[in-house]
Amino acid sequence: DGGITQSPKYLFRKEGQNVTLSCEQNLNHDAMYWYRQDPGQGLRLIYYSQIVNDFQKGDIAEGYSVSREKKESFPLTVTSAQKNPTAFYLCASLQQGRPFDEQYFGPGTRLTVT
Amino acid sequence: EDKVVQSPLSLVVHEGDTVTLNCSYEVTNFRSLLWYKQEKKAPTFLFMLTSSGIEKKSGRLSSILDKKELSSILNITATQTGDSAIYLCAQGGSEKLVFGKGTKLTVNP
Repeated sequence: DGGITQSPKYLFRKEGQNVTLSCEQNLNHDAMYWYRQDPGQGLRLIYYSQIVNDFQKGDIAEGYSVSREKKESFPLTVTSAQKNPTAFYLCASLQQGRPFDEQYFGPGTRLTVT
Repeated sequence: EDKVVQSPLSLVVHEGDTVTLNCSYEVTNFRSLLWYKQEKKAPTFLFMLTSSGIEKKSGRLSSILDKKELSSILNITATQTGDSAIYLCAQGGSEKLVFGKGTKLTVNP
């Protein structure tokens, strides 16, 4: 079955540590996205990538980094510079040129930093 | 300043009530308006609207876009407890989606 996997589902880290969230898709989609969701907030775009080896900052990129070395993988690193990293992180993918109703979401990772 | 604004932010109703959720968006880079339902996990797609005045329906849910008013509404008739969720509206541009903060709907039995 094609889809997006994010691991782990829950992640706990101590303040000051970098942490990398995994996102893998086997849909052969060109574009991938990382969103952050806080309680009472909608999804906010962190980074997105429309092609391998290229990515763009979203609305809240500070304190995060990404890489897109392979089409199927788009890992997100939450660095110690991110002031409030505790949140629900969602990855998504879409075939380039297709409408957004065809966007697939992963199941999400809940990150807690104490 | 928020580009996609949803109202109300939260709503509590009784089973059987009809609710109307509102979403306003910006004209800049507008391609589509999408509605999602979210229940403590990834959002589930409901509707995508691109043309003004054409209602989309799915069971008890319906939605319509008003490009003149830069807005959309999501109607849910005969609400059920299973409709309790966060409803997200998003503006689709050429490269990305911009989401509103969502409306938290609680349907009490």
